[in-house]
Amino acid sequence: EVQLVESGGGLVQPGGSLRLSCAASGFTFRSYWMSWARQAPGKGLEWVANIKEDGSEKYYVDSVKGRFIISRDNAKNSLYLEMNSLRAEDTAVYYCARESITVFGVAYYYYGMDLWGQGTTVAVSS
Amino acid sequence: IVMTQSPATLSVFPGARATLSCRASQSVSSNLAWYQQKPGQGPRLLIYGASTRATGIPDRFSGSGSGTEFTLTISSLQSQDIAVYYCQQYNNWPPKPLTFGGGTKVEIK
Repeated sequence: EVQLVESGGGLVQPGGSLRLSCAASGFTFRSYWMSWARQAPGKGLEWVANIKEDGSEKYYVDSVKGRFIISRDNAKNSLYLEMNSLRAEDTAVYYCARESITVFGVAYYYYGMDLWGQGTTVAVSS
Repeated sequence: IVMTQSPATLSVFPGARATLSCRASQSVSSNLAWYQQKPGQGPRLLIYGASTRATGIPDRFSGSGSGTEFTLTISSLQSQDIAVYYCQQYNNWPPKPLTFGGGTKVEIK
């Protein structure tokens, strides 16, 4: 079955750290860009970061730059999000998503996030 | 780029047409996608390139628009279409960020 399963969420104090994982199955993980997105309670979606197939390119939303690190292990079909210096405003359900992107030279062709997991909940509170 | 969706909530009779709007704060060309999210689930990709349906999406879903004004139309609302719908722009990514609209909740009238 083609699926993404997130894990690693939990309750953490402000200033703390947490590492999220996303296990991919049913497709060739190493052939896809991958993203993390989040959804604060009762709010809309916010893209957090994404990473190229081989991990050589990474992009982040400004609000997490310098605090969060996206990484992947293609041998383990896994995506990760290392979250440091956590703030109350980082409280959200975190989703991993597969992206359909083609790169020709310097041109990027984006076709959307075509597979999403069920999410893992992160709560930042004292 | 700020994406603004309207209305926040849309009530539609079963079988009727639902029209959802998404406006960008500056032109995103046709670099726009639509997603459907049901309670307790991750989102599902419906449309990319403003008007191309993703694999397996029923043809009652259609997207239109370019520049700053976009529309998602559900031609004949079914009960299984009850969800929140989000638009997402990806113009000038990378390095510009991907951004989502605030969502439109579709209800049965």
